[in-house]
Amino acid sequence: ETGVTQTPRHLVMGMTNKKSLKCEQHLGHNAMYWYKQSAKKPLELMFVYNFKEQTENNSVPSRFSPECPNSSHLFLHLHTLQPEDSALYLCASSQDHATAYGYTFGSGTRLTVV
Amino acid sequence: AQSVTQLDSHVSVSEGTPVLLRCNYSSSYSPSLFWYVQHPNKGLQLLLKYTSAATLVKGINGFEAEFKKSETSFHLTKPSAHMSDAAEYFCVVSRGPGGSYIPTFGRGTSLIVHP
Repeated sequence: ETGVTQTPRHLVMGMTNKKSLKCEQHLGHNAMYWYKQSAKKPLELMFVYNFKEQTENNSVPSRFSPECPNSSHLFLHLHTLQPEDSALYLCASSQDHATAYGYTFGSGTRLTVV
Repeated sequence: AQSVTQLDSHVSVSEGTPVLLRCNYSSSYSPSLFWYVQHPNKGLQLLLKYTSAATLVKGINGFEAEFKKSETSFHLTKPSAHMSDAAEYFCVVSRGPGGSYIPTFGRGTSLIVHP
């Protein structure tokens, strides 16, 4: 375990479903991130939270809705997704949003949209 | 602006032979540079990082990388490959402390280790 826990590990959902991905860290980090990893494409930054405040939304469609209730927890709420949204969704945390410290990643949630 | 290029999408080596994974970067500022490893069905793990201290950086599992400003390179090396090193490796550049923090990931290099 890296200290960043993501649940569920695998998720299959229909295009009309609503589901949520959860990320939890107890490393004392103040910044948390959502990344999307698709086959044959570079890692895509989706959202950044620093001290519970969203500081980056990288032009992500509104069918993805993040929530950060505290510095230890991060959610990604999903609704009316498309098949092209199928990917590995990775959560990461860092001391703060200065990446000189490096990120700690979770193992990801493998999402399949059918 | 910043960018990172991993020069090989796949590298194949025999167990016990040296590993070289190449990375070139572009940055308008003094960069911070990282290498991450991703094993199948796992998240990314930080191998090592350069943040303007010593140019030769040692990481976990016997890996090291050398920052060469004149060549804008940050190649990852290991003297002797092990079967467990087979994974995807990502080179990452960011502007560094005090600057724009959004990191740029390379497309990854798949390391294949033959027995």
